[in-house]
Amino acid sequence: GAVVSQHPSWVICKSGTSVKIECRSLDFQATTMFWYRQFPKQSLMLMATSNEGSKATYEQGVEKDKFLINHASLTLSTLTVTSAHPEDSSFYICSARAWSGDPNQPQHFGDGTRLSIL
Amino acid sequence: QKEVEQDPGPLSVPEGAIVSLNCTYSNSAFQYFMWYRQYSRKGPELLMYTYSSGNKEDGRFTAQVDKSSKYISLFIRDSQPSDSATYLCASRGTSYGKLTFGQGTILTVHP
Repeated sequence: GAVVSQHPSWVICKSGTSVKIECRSLDFQATTMFWYRQFPKQSLMLMATSNEGSKATYEQGVEKDKFLINHASLTLSTLTVTSAHPEDSSFYICSARAWSGDPNQPQHFGDGTRLSIL
Repeated sequence: QKEVEQDPGPLSVPEGAIVSLNCTYSNSAFQYFMWYRQYSRKGPELLMYTYSSGNKEDGRFTAQVDKSSKYISLFIRDSQPSDSATYLCASRGTSYGKLTFGQGTILTVHP
């Protein structure tokens, strides 16, 4: 159980293109999803927290107009990198946390999307 | 100072060895502690989840938390080549608070 699917797994596109990444919880409803960015051999850096039906909360230094997040349903959140440039190339990972009365619910991660901007 | 510090390694051990992975944290509000395993080009996989100080064991893995010294550890017994991965410690405060990750330790287990 607790499977998170992320699509696409790898995308290469030209500078100036907008790229959409999908994150789906397959067997549970996720009221909260998180988007992370990871550079090679570095840890995960939280970009934003997405709650179903409300605006995402962005971490300091993350441009909300650059990284558009939509969490329209309890099983799907999307991250759109608008007008992507080479410096946006990175590994983007989402995670999801189920709604539950259990405060110990952990986050479950997708397998990431490798974004390469030429 | 980072809120969660982790020695990035790399750490290389022979098969069958006991592996010790460690993190320190500075935020006294952290109450929940996790260890994730991440294979190359994959997302992190939850290995251990602890709340209180003390030890928690799951198969070959033991997580240890010492809140008095703000120190968390993961021990891997009888290490296998399949354990070769990056191990990330993570902490959070409130039950639904965001995770703060360590840098990750790259582990290689040689046959």
